[in-house]
Amino acid sequence: GAVVSQHPSRVICKSGTSVKIECRSLDFQATTMFWYRQFPKQSLMLMATSNEGSKATYEQGVEKDKFLINHASLTLSTLTVTSAHPEDSSFYICSASPQGYNQPQHFGDGTRLSIL
Amino acid sequence: AQTVTQSQPEMSVQEAETVTLSCTYDTSESDYYLFWYKQPPSRQMILVIRQEAYKQQNATENRFSVNFQKAAKSFSLKISDSQLGDAAMYFCAYSGRDDKIIFGKGTRLHILP
Repeated sequence: GAVVSQHPSRVICKSGTSVKIECRSLDFQATTMFWYRQFPKQSLMLMATSNEGSKATYEQGVEKDKFLINHASLTLSTLTVTSAHPEDSSFYICSASPQGYNQPQHFGDGTRLSIL
Repeated sequence: AQTVTQSQPEMSVQEAETVTLSCTYDTSESDYYLFWYKQPPSRQMILVIRQEAYKQQNATENRFSVNFQKAAKSFSLKISDSQLGDAAMYFCAYSGRDDKIIFGKGTRLHILP
């Protein structure tokens, strides 16, 4: 079945550091990938839609200069949290679906980001 | 804008019994998908069941089934013969034309041995 790989699974870093998270579709191509954020004991909130070869589309309230998204190929999207601060600590998860009608989204295993 | 509402923050069920998780949604779209996802402590998102809005027949996957009431915009999940491994957070979710998934706030399900 379709697999989405997310890396790293866990990041601990100092305040002010920029952190890059990768989302790869391992056995299919995805023109669109989605990035979500989940705070403890809360639901997943969509942050942005990553579009291959073009700019990402951000949800209301999400700072595009803070959360840089690059989707340079049909199998890789990256989310960079720039100058991360403790309030950016969260669980970040991506999803992607194979091209074609009626294809379900597949989720990566998520990245737990902790900013000290 | 689409919304998904889960009104039960937590539920408990005795092992081997049946439990129903509630979900309502709001949309102006006519073609969409509804989902139930399971999130165990590992935080992995596991698709439990999916319903296409244009299909009147309720989806089933082994012990999991849904009651899809399109006119009422209701989409409940029934878990039969509950097992200890069913304990998790369950999210009801909606996806429309743009493939974005909108999640409800979740219901934490406890299985009592």
